[in-house]
Amino acid sequence: EAGVVQSPRYKIIEKKQPVAFWCNPISGHNTLYWYLQNLGQGPELLIRYENEEAVDDSQLPKDRFSAERLKGVDSTLKIQPAELGDSAVYLCASSLGGQGSQETQYFGPGTRLLVL
Amino acid sequence: GDSVTQMEGPVTLSEEAFLTINCTYTATGYPSLFWYVQYPGEGLQLLLKATKADDKGSNKGFEATYRKETTSFHLEKGSVQVSDSAVYFCALINSGNTPLVFGKGTRLSVIA
Repeated sequence: EAGVVQSPRYKIIEKKQPVAFWCNPISGHNTLYWYLQNLGQGPELLIRYENEEAVDDSQLPKDRFSAERLKGVDSTLKIQPAELGDSAVYLCASSLGGQGSQETQYFGPGTRLLVL
Repeated sequence: GDSVTQMEGPVTLSEEAFLTINCTYTATGYPSLFWYVQYPGEGLQLLLKATKADDKGSNKGFEATYRKETTSFHLEKGSVQVSDSAVYFCALINSGNTPLVFGKGTRLSVIA
């Protein structure tokens, strides 16, 4: 069974440019998460989807970050415009889901973003 | 809010040494506890988990026991290998609609 797929694996952009990350979760997983991992830190949640609905986006900086999960499968996370401080690893995870569940989350390889 | 505290690294061990990485947590309710491992250049992989008090999670020679009385979930392995070199993250997920809460990670280097 394929795991969580993310692309690109690496991205280098100049500040003020837009960037987008794509995630395909494990088949059948209803819950999808985007996490931000700064260097030397543990991941922190940006947004959580139950199917196509964003049920927790309280930590998403909405002035520059946006996300969508059309049709409740693939998801895209966008930053526009990017800032130097956005350099980090962006991780996507998925789980079987259900409101209030403690299901195991499975992570993709991440996208390493460097903003120059 | 919920939080996880794990021992700071880096931890450097010789091959076949005993490993302990301490993890304590603060949470309301009854969280599930996890250890994830991140090998160089890769994403997070679930190593083991425990969902209730006194449960022991185990995988690949690693073990951790959910201790509610001490709010701990220490990771142990009896004999580490060079291939165990990675960053280890302790994490919890609480009841209700909350995300995984991670510790800062502990880098382990095993030398031959």
